[in-house]
Amino acid sequence: DVKVTQSSRYLVKRTGEKVFLECVQDMDHENMFWYRQDPGLGLRLIYFSYDVKMKEKGDIPEGYSVSREKKERFSLILESASTNQTSMYLCASSPLVYSPLHFGNGTRLTVT
Amino acid sequence: GENVEQHPSTLSVQEGDSAVIKCTYSDSASNYFPWYKQELGKGPQLIIDIRSNVGEKKDQRIAVTLNKTAKHFSLHITETQPEDSAVYFCAASSAKAAGNKLTFGGGTRVLVKP
Repeated sequence: DVKVTQSSRYLVKRTGEKVFLECVQDMDHENMFWYRQDPGLGLRLIYFSYDVKMKEKGDIPEGYSVSREKKERFSLILESASTNQTSMYLCASSPLVYSPLHFGNGTRLTVT
Repeated sequence: GENVEQHPSTLSVQEGDSAVIKCTYSDSASNYFPWYKQELGKGPQLIIDIRSNVGEKKDQRIAVTLNKTAKHFSLHITETQPEDSAVYFCAASSAKAAGNKLTFGGGTRVLVKP
Protein backbone atom coordinates (compact mmCIF):
# COMPACT_ATOMS: atom_id res chain seq x y z
CA ASP A 1 0.00 0.00 0.00
CA VAL A 2 1.14 3.51 -0.78
CA LYS A 3 1.97 5.44 2.30
CA VAL A 4 2.08 9.21 2.51
CA THR A 5 3.33 10.38 5.86
CA GLN A 6 2.96 13.88 7.20
CA SER A 7 5.37 14.62 10.00
CA SER A 8 2.93 16.28 12.38
CA ARG A 9 -0.73 15.66 13.13
CA TYR A 10 -1.21 18.92 15.04
CA LEU A 11 0.88 22.07 15.11
CA VAL A 12 0.43 25.32 17.02
CA LYS A 13 2.54 28.25 15.90
CA ARG A 14 2.67 31.94 16.60
CA THR A 15 2.07 34.70 14.09
CA GLY A 16 5.26 35.55 12.22
CA GLU A 17 6.95 32.21 12.80
CA LYS A 18 8.46 30.26 9.92
CA VAL A 19 6.68 26.92 9.67
CA PHE A 20 7.76 23.75 7.90
CA LEU A 21 5.30 20.99 7.04
CA GLU A 22 6.98 17.81 5.88
CA CYS A 23 5.61 15.05 3.69
CA VAL A 24 7.21 11.78 2.65
CA GLN A 25 5.87 9.14 0.24
CA ASP A 26 7.26 5.65 -0.13
CA MET A 27 6.14 4.64 -3.62
CA ASP A 28 8.49 6.53 -5.92
CA HIS A 29 5.68 8.74 -7.20
CA GLU A 30 6.54 11.51 -9.63
CA ASN A 31 3.88 13.98 -8.55
CA MET A 32 3.40 15.49 -5.12
CA PHE A 33 0.87 18.05 -3.95
CA TRP A 34 -0.01 20.28 -1.04
CA TYR A 35 -3.68 21.07 -0.48
CA ARG A 36 -5.38 23.18 2.10
CA GLN A 37 -8.78 22.05 3.41
CA ASP A 38 -11.29 24.50 4.86
CA PRO A 39 -14.99 23.86 5.59
CA GLY A 40 -17.19 24.58 2.61
CA LEU A 41 -14.21 25.33 0.37
CA GLY A 42 -13.12 21.79 -0.28
CA LEU A 43 -9.49 21.13 -1.05
CA ARG A 44 -7.56 23.96 -2.64
CA LEU A 45 -4.23 23.36 -4.29
CA ILE A 46 -1.33 25.38 -2.90
CA TYR A 47 1.65 23.99 -4.84
CA PHE A 48 2.55 20.84 -6.67
CA SER A 49 5.67 19.23 -8.03
CA TYR A 50 6.00 16.79 -10.92
CA ASP A 51 9.72 16.17 -10.53
CA VAL A 52 12.60 16.75 -8.16
CA LYS A 53 13.41 20.46 -7.86
CA MET A 54 10.38 21.30 -9.99
CA LYS A 55 7.43 23.17 -8.58
CA GLU A 56 4.28 24.75 -9.90
CA LYS A 57 1.92 27.19 -8.24
CA GLY A 58 -1.55 25.97 -7.53
CA ASP A 59 -4.61 28.09 -6.95
CA ILE A 60 -3.62 29.69 -3.63
CA PRO A 61 0.21 29.95 -3.44
CA GLU A 62 0.41 33.33 -1.72
CA GLY A 63 2.21 33.14 1.60
CA TYR A 64 3.62 29.68 0.90
CA SER A 65 6.66 28.15 -0.71
CA VAL A 66 7.75 24.56 -1.27
CA SER A 67 10.87 22.50 -1.55
CA ARG A 68 11.47 19.18 -3.26
CA GLU A 69 15.11 18.19 -3.00
CA LYS A 70 14.41 14.46 -3.09
CA LYS A 71 11.76 12.55 -4.98
CA GLU A 72 10.10 11.17 -1.87
CA ARG A 73 9.95 14.39 0.16
CA PHE A 74 7.88 17.52 -0.42
CA SER A 75 7.96 20.32 2.12
CA LEU A 76 5.53 23.20 2.53
CA ILE A 77 6.93 26.37 4.04
CA LEU A 78 5.03 29.23 5.57
CA GLU A 79 7.56 32.03 5.53
CA SER A 80 5.75 34.15 8.12
CA ALA A 81 2.70 32.41 9.53
CA SER A 82 -0.51 34.39 9.79
CA THR A 83 -3.80 33.59 11.50
CA ASN A 84 -5.57 33.16 8.15
CA GLN A 85 -3.27 30.21 7.49
CA THR A 86 -4.92 28.25 10.29
CA SER A 87 -6.21 25.22 8.44
CA MET A 88 -5.89 21.52 7.68
CA TYR A 89 -3.02 20.82 5.29
CA LEU A 90 -3.05 17.68 3.18
CA CYS A 91 -0.15 16.25 1.23
CA ALA A 92 -0.73 13.86 -1.66
CA SER A 93 1.23 11.95 -4.25
CA SER A 94 0.47 10.19 -7.53
CA PRO A 95 2.51 8.31 -10.11
CA LEU A 96 0.98 9.53 -13.36
CA VAL A 97 -1.56 11.87 -14.82
CA TYR A 98 -5.12 10.61 -14.23
CA SER A 99 -4.02 8.23 -11.52
CA PRO A 100 -5.44 8.38 -7.99
CA LEU A 101 -4.04 10.82 -5.49
CA HIS A 102 -2.82 9.18 -2.31
CA PHE A 103 -3.29 11.48 0.65
CA GLY A 104 -1.62 11.70 4.00
CA ASN A 105 -3.78 12.06 7.11
CA GLY A 106 -3.25 15.80 7.29
CA THR A 107 -1.65 18.35 9.59
CA ARG A 108 -3.97 20.64 11.49
CA LEU A 109 -2.12 23.91 11.87
CA THR A 110 -3.27 26.60 14.28
CA VAL A 111 -1.62 30.01 14.12
CA THR A 112 -2.24 32.20 17.15
CA GLY B 1 -9.17 27.99 -14.47
CA GLU B 2 -11.51 25.15 -13.59
CA ASN B 3 -14.34 25.71 -11.09
CA VAL B 4 -16.18 22.78 -9.52
CA GLU B 5 -19.39 23.24 -7.55
CA GLN B 6 -20.83 20.48 -5.39
CA HIS B 7 -24.30 20.04 -3.89
CA PRO B 8 -25.64 19.49 -1.34
CA SER B 9 -23.17 20.47 1.35
CA THR B 10 -24.82 18.12 3.85
CA LEU B 11 -26.98 15.08 3.25
CA SER B 12 -28.78 12.98 5.82
CA VAL B 13 -30.28 9.66 4.74
CA GLN B 14 -31.87 6.69 6.42
CA GLU B 15 -29.89 3.47 6.33
CA GLY B 16 -30.84 1.51 3.22
CA ASP B 17 -31.89 4.58 1.23
CA SER B 18 -29.95 6.04 -1.69
CA ALA B 19 -27.76 9.12 -1.64
CA VAL B 20 -26.98 11.35 -4.61
CA ILE B 21 -24.34 14.06 -4.78
CA LYS B 22 -24.10 16.36 -7.79
CA CYS B 23 -21.19 18.36 -9.19
CA THR B 24 -20.84 20.81 -12.04
CA TYR B 25 -17.63 21.95 -13.68
CA SER B 26 -16.74 24.90 -15.85
CA ASP B 27 -13.86 23.80 -18.10
CA SER B 28 -15.11 21.89 -21.14
CA ALA B 29 -11.58 20.45 -21.56
CA SER B 30 -11.88 18.53 -18.28
CA ASN B 31 -11.81 14.82 -18.95
CA TYR B 32 -11.15 13.04 -15.65
CA PHE B 33 -13.60 13.05 -12.74
CA PRO B 34 -12.70 11.24 -9.51
CA TRP B 35 -14.65 11.00 -6.28
CA TYR B 36 -12.97 10.87 -2.88
CA LYS B 37 -14.28 9.81 0.51
CA GLN B 38 -12.83 11.30 3.68
CA GLU B 39 -13.45 9.58 6.98
CA LEU B 40 -12.92 11.35 10.26
CA GLY B 41 -9.26 11.96 11.02
CA LYS B 42 -8.05 10.61 7.69
CA GLY B 43 -7.05 11.92 4.32
CA PRO B 44 -9.40 11.56 1.35
CA GLN B 45 -9.37 8.24 -0.47
CA LEU B 46 -10.42 7.56 -4.05
CA ILE B 47 -13.65 5.55 -4.29
CA ILE B 48 -14.46 5.77 -7.99
CA ASP B 49 -13.46 7.74 -11.05
CA ILE B 50 -14.72 8.25 -14.58
CA ARG B 51 -13.17 9.50 -17.76
CA SER B 52 -14.88 11.60 -20.37
CA ASN B 53 -15.26 8.80 -22.89
CA VAL B 54 -17.59 6.94 -20.51
CA GLY B 55 -21.09 8.00 -19.44
CA GLU B 56 -21.50 5.78 -16.41
CA LYS B 57 -19.40 3.58 -14.17
CA LYS B 58 -20.49 1.31 -11.36
CA ASP B 59 -18.66 -0.44 -8.54
CA GLN B 60 -20.91 -2.45 -6.24
CA ARG B 61 -23.10 0.07 -4.39
CA ILE B 62 -21.58 3.19 -5.87
CA ALA B 63 -21.97 4.60 -9.36
CA VAL B 64 -20.95 7.75 -11.14
CA THR B 65 -22.67 9.33 -14.12
CA LEU B 66 -21.24 11.98 -16.41
CA ASN B 67 -23.05 14.38 -18.74
CA LYS B 68 -20.36 16.19 -20.74
CA THR B 69 -22.81 18.33 -22.63
CA ALA B 70 -24.26 19.76 -19.45
CA LYS B 71 -20.90 19.62 -17.66
CA HIS B 72 -22.12 17.79 -14.62
CA PHE B 73 -21.46 14.48 -12.93
CA SER B 74 -23.05 12.70 -10.01
CA LEU B 75 -22.26 10.10 -7.37
CA HIS B 76 -24.94 7.60 -6.46
CA ILE B 77 -24.73 5.41 -3.37
CA THR B 78 -27.40 2.74 -3.07
CA GLU B 79 -28.41 0.78 0.03
CA THR B 80 -26.53 3.15 2.28
CA GLN B 81 -24.87 1.79 5.41
CA PRO B 82 -23.57 3.59 8.52
CA GLU B 83 -20.00 3.18 7.27
CA ASP B 84 -20.90 5.36 4.28
CA SER B 85 -21.04 8.32 6.69
CA ALA B 86 -18.16 10.56 5.64
CA VAL B 87 -17.31 13.66 3.63
CA TYR B 88 -17.33 13.13 -0.13
CA PHE B 89 -15.47 15.29 -2.63
CA CYS B 90 -15.84 15.43 -6.38
CA ALA B 91 -12.99 16.70 -8.55
CA ALA B 92 -12.17 17.45 -12.16
CA SER B 93 -8.96 17.48 -14.13
CA SER B 94 -8.13 18.73 -17.59
CA ALA B 95 -5.64 17.36 -20.07
CA LYS B 96 -4.37 20.92 -20.27
CA ALA B 97 -3.44 20.95 -16.60
CA ALA B 98 0.19 20.27 -15.77
CA GLY B 99 0.92 17.19 -13.74
CA ASN B 100 -2.17 15.67 -12.18
CA LYS B 101 -3.81 18.88 -11.06
CA LEU B 102 -7.29 18.31 -9.70
CA THR B 103 -9.84 20.95 -8.80
CA PHE B 104 -12.12 19.83 -5.97
CA GLY B 105 -15.68 20.66 -5.08
CA GLY B 106 -16.58 21.99 -1.65
CA GLY B 107 -17.49 18.59 -0.22
CA THR B 108 -20.68 16.89 0.99
CA ARG B 109 -21.03 15.64 4.52
CA VAL B 110 -23.14 12.47 4.38
CA LEU B 111 -24.77 11.10 7.51
CA VAL B 112 -26.42 7.70 7.36
CA LYS B 113 -28.87 7.26 10.21
CA PRO B 114 -29.37 3.70 11.46
